[in-house]
Amino acid sequence: EPEVTQTPSHQVTQMGQEVILRCVPISNHLYFYWYRQILGQKVEFLVSFYNNEISEKSEIFDDQFSVERPDGSNFTLKIRSTKLEDSAMYFCASSEAGYAFFGQGTRLTVV
Amino acid sequence: KNEVEQSPQNLTAQEGEFITINCSYSVGISALHWLQQHPGGGIVSLFMLSSGKKKHGRLIATINIQEKHSSLHITASHPRDSAVYICAVRPGSNYQLIWGAGTKLIIKP
Repeated sequence: EPEVTQTPSHQVTQMGQEVILRCVPISNHLYFYWYRQILGQKVEFLVSFYNNEISEKSEIFDDQFSVERPDGSNFTLKIRSTKLEDSAMYFCASSEAGYAFFGQGTRLTVV
Repeated sequence: KNEVEQSPQNLTAQEGEFITINCSYSVGISALHWLQQHPGGGIVSLFMLSSGKKKHGRLIATINIQEKHSSLHITASHPRDSAVYICAVRPGSNYQLIWGAGTKLIIKP
């Protein structure tokens, strides 16, 4: 069965450092998303990406965040200068015809 | 006010029981998703609905667009069904999903 893969599964970083979270969406999907879930809270939408550009983003997705599709397979989320409150589980998803497939998530811990 | 409300927040049942989890939403939607989140955090899509009813194995999902309500049912529940079940809606033509807080289900043997 096709799956979305995310790496790393867990990343610990120091406050102020840049992190890049990586995702490999399902190959024929055209829509890509990042979501995050702070421990004990709801999942929150960050950004959606289609046709090599951002199609929607939430208020959370400020200037410290960026997304890229550097090649035909990877989809990355960069956090430029991490803060303690960026600690969360980050999920990548891809979809075709609306049905979304999720990766297993990257647990980011900012210390 | 939360745009997506789920009930109950927590549900503990015995193996074999019929389970119902409810979801109400306040916005216009183009689709509603039911998802399952396991203790390790991974999320699996179970259903995407825009009308009527869908069935997959022991899982049934229904939606009433007029009442802005959806239910997820599990028949013959099993301990391996223990997880957090989340309802998420796709408003209008937007790409994003608005998520409920989830229902934590524990099935005891």
